[in-house]
Amino acid sequence: DSGVTQTPKHLITATGQRVTLRCSPRSGDLSVYWYQQSLDQGLQFLIQYYNGEERAKGNILERFSAQQFPDLHSELNLSSLELGDSALYFCASSVAPGNYGYTFGSGTRLTVV
Amino acid sequence: KNQVEQSPQSLIILEGKNCTLQCNYTVSPFSNLRWYKQDTGRGPVSLTIMTFSENTKSNGRYTATLDADTKQSSLHITASQLSDSASYICVVSPLSGGSYIPTFGRGTSLIVHP
Repeated sequence: DSGVTQTPKHLITATGQRVTLRCSPRSGDLSVYWYQQSLDQGLQFLIQYYNGEERAKGNILERFSAQQFPDLHSELNLSSLELGDSALYFCASSVAPGNYGYTFGSGTRLTVV
Repeated sequence: KNQVEQSPQSLIILEGKNCTLQCNYTVSPFSNLRWYKQDTGRGPVSLTIMTFSENTKSNGRYTATLDADTKQSSLHITASQLSDSASYICVVSPLSGGSYIPTFGRGTSLIVHP
């Protein structure tokens, strides 16, 4: 157990729907990162939060949004889902940006049918 | 543009053999370089972390080397085991930039056959 908790582990939904993925960072970590990994692709950075504030955005679609709450857990919202959104979504956390204690969760596998 | 290139893309070896995976990067200046192991469908797990001033770091049968002058790193696996079958990902974090977003390589897929 890495200490980073992601729920749900699996999610199957239809095109056009909206889903929310949840991440609880490791105890003491203030920074949360979201990544997308499509089949046979590398990890693609989506967005980073630090202590509730957005710090950086990567290749995140406008249909996607995220936030980090006061208790530091984070949610990634995916809307108007398309077949191509099917992927593994990983959350990682670290104490602070730049700190290399960077730990991944086990991911949420999203399947859009 | 920061880039991390890994080679080979895939590798098949026999159990008990050694192998070396390569990582070339353009991130500069960089803060640290990490190697992760990712089992299929699982989250990446950190193997080694090196700062720019370190040349080598070991973790059991895994040894990472770093040449900051040539911007190259390698991950050497000795006496491979079936459980080493996984994707190995090189990740380089910038020294500055405010957000410190690391750049990920696409990984090397290693298959260890009995």
